[in-house]
Amino acid sequence: EPEVTQTPSHQVTQMGQEVILRCVPISNHLYFYWYRQILGQKVEFLVSFYNNEISEKSEIFDDQFSVERPDGSNFTLKIRSTKLEDSAMYFCASSGQGGKNIQYFGAGTRLSVL
Amino acid sequence: GDSVTQMEGPVTLSEEAFLTINCTYTATGYPSLFWYVQYPGEGLQLLLKATKADDKGSNKGFEATYRKETTSFHLEKGSVQVSDSAVYFCALINTNAGKSTFGDGTTLTVKP
Repeated sequence: EPEVTQTPSHQVTQMGQEVILRCVPISNHLYFYWYRQILGQKVEFLVSFYNNEISEKSEIFDDQFSVERPDGSNFTLKIRSTKLEDSAMYFCASSGQGGKNIQYFGAGTRLSVL
Repeated sequence: GDSVTQMEGPVTLSEEAFLTINCTYTATGYPSLFWYVQYPGEGLQLLLKATKADDKGSNKGFEATYRKETTSFHLEKGSVQVSDSAVYFCALINTNAGKSTFGDGTTLTVKP
């Protein structure tokens, strides 16, 4: 069964460093998303992406964050200068259709900012 | 804006007990509703879904019915197992290709 793949599974970084979280969505999907989950809290929406553009972003997704689809398969989330409060699990999701349809989630990348 | 409210946890049950996890939502229009499960150390797995009023989603013995009149989507299972121990999230999508809005999650522990 096709699945969303995220790498790395765990990323440790120093405060102020840049990190890039990588995702390979399901191959024929067109809609891509990033969410985050701070330990013990709810899953929060960050950004959605379609046709090489951001469709929607939350107030969390400030200028420190960016997304890119550098080729036909990868979808990346970059945090320019990490802060302690960026420590969280980051989930990538993809969807194949434009309706209110299922989003398939990856296993997540745990980001630890020291 | 849209929101999802889940019953507060954690919930602890004995094996073979009946499970209900309440979920209510606030949204304009006709959202699609979902339950996700997160096992310890893992990602989010879709458990079941319903896309319109009175639809019943079901999977692995779990069920939930989309009740528009009460804006609810309660998760039920007739007989839980130890392996059902996990965090359960209720979620909705209210716009085409839009974001998922999640509840706070309910931690279920099933004891033998």
